[in-house]
Amino acid sequence: AQKITQTQPGMFVQEKEAVTLDCTYDTSDPSYGLFWYKQPSSGEMIFLIYQGSYDQQNATEGRYSLNFQKARKSANLVISASQLGDSAMYFCAMRELYGNQFYFGTGTSLTVIP
Amino acid sequence: KAGVTQTPRYLIKTRGQQVTLSCSPISGHRSVSWYQQTPGQGLQFLFEYFSETQRNKGNFPGRFSGRQFSNSRSEMNVSTLELGDSALYLCASSIGGNTGNTIYFGEGSWLTVV
Repeated sequence: AQKITQTQPGMFVQEKEAVTLDCTYDTSDPSYGLFWYKQPSSGEMIFLIYQGSYDQQNATEGRYSLNFQKARKSANLVISASQLGDSAMYFCAMRELYGNQFYFGTGTSLTVIP
Repeated sequence: KAGVTQTPRYLIKTRGQQVTLSCSPISGHRSVSWYQQTPGQGLQFLFEYFSETQRNKGNFPGRFSGRQFSNSRSEMNVSTLELGDSALYLCASSIGGNTGNTIYFGEGSWLTVV
């Protein structure tokens, strides 16, 4: 089974609007971390936001917030007030307690329309 | 604080040759991991090193190897290159192996095999 599932291959959003990128995960570990990364066309993976499995509150970092629904095993990224520079690939990732690798989803390509 | 540095950024090799890619992690980071990214397969985990020891390995043939030095710098080597090895190779570093330890990526090395 896939550890991380991103079901939206491509998304479009109007500039200044909010957008939600979906991510579901699969793990039986009691402790895990969830991450979102942004990859512009240049190739570098840029860390955006982190959510721990025991965190009670949803993580926020500036215009990024993570909508964490533990029972549904979902960790959606919300970008508020989209900007043209937000156009990129977005990857959801998970790190389990008993493992030293990150599992990545297939990514969502976000295009911000002026 | 300097980020993760990967060299070379771009390279072209001929089928059958070998290649060595280098990665200098963020100062103080002892864990270095490598990923291969292709349009068809997405991000795939190669291996992870911590304090000069390989802790985890992905599902790649033995032609792919790596090592880590005492200063945490890491190299990966691909021998007998095949056309399918053309990819973006990403190195990432983190402080350690806890679930909350974020990995930070370098800009990647774009390898083209002709």
